[in-house]
Amino acid sequence: ETGVTQTPRHLVMGMTNKKSLKCEQHLGHNAMYWYKQSAKKPLELMFVYNFKEQTENNSVPSRFSPECPNSSHLFLHLHTLQPEDSALYLCASSLEPLNQPQHFGDGTRLSIL
Amino acid sequence: DQQVKQNSPSLSVQEGRISILNCDYTNSMFDYFLWYKKYPAEGPTFLISISSIKDKNEDGRFTVFLNKSAKHLSLHIVPSQPGDSAVYFCAASGESTGSARQLTFGSGTQLTVLP
Repeated sequence: ETGVTQTPRHLVMGMTNKKSLKCEQHLGHNAMYWYKQSAKKPLELMFVYNFKEQTENNSVPSRFSPECPNSSHLFLHLHTLQPEDSALYLCASSLEPLNQPQHFGDGTRLSIL
Repeated sequence: DQQVKQNSPSLSVQEGRISILNCDYTNSMFDYFLWYKKYPAEGPTFLISISSIKDKNEDGRFTVFLNKSAKHLSLHIVPSQPGDSAVYFCAASGESTGSARQLTFGSGTQLTVLP
């Protein structure tokens, strides 16, 4: 049983499409995160959920819409994306408020045509 | 402006020798530091961490050193093995807001261990 599972692993979509990324964690964690990694750039934190409540939104455009129905599942809904949104999207989870590391999924490679 | 910097995009080391990866930070509020390893097509994997109350933490072949006055940390891998070839990310966090810590990542160093 893997710790953090992301689906799909690859996604190609047009700018007018609507799609969703899914993340599921089986680690009993209570915080979940979305990160974006563009080529040659550091991981950028997008959203933080703690006990299903969104606690951070790092100035992310509204075309990205997160949803956290419970502590084990996290979604990122995508609509009207731009070519510069092509990147690797990583989900992570952690047990807070302890000083424990975040555990990452393998990511979704998103390409916007 | 990047708060966590890894100034060496790549490093090559001979198998069996020591690998030293470096990381600098600017935010004096950071009190928890981590190293992650990433293989292609996989997510980052946690390696080792250190709290600001310590200056060294060791786990097998991996040791992290923290120099708070210089705002510098380093990861030592000894002996290096070909399987250690990966991108290594340094990350840092400070006091949590909203009860969940935010990590700030460096841009990574590609380590290649030559057989």
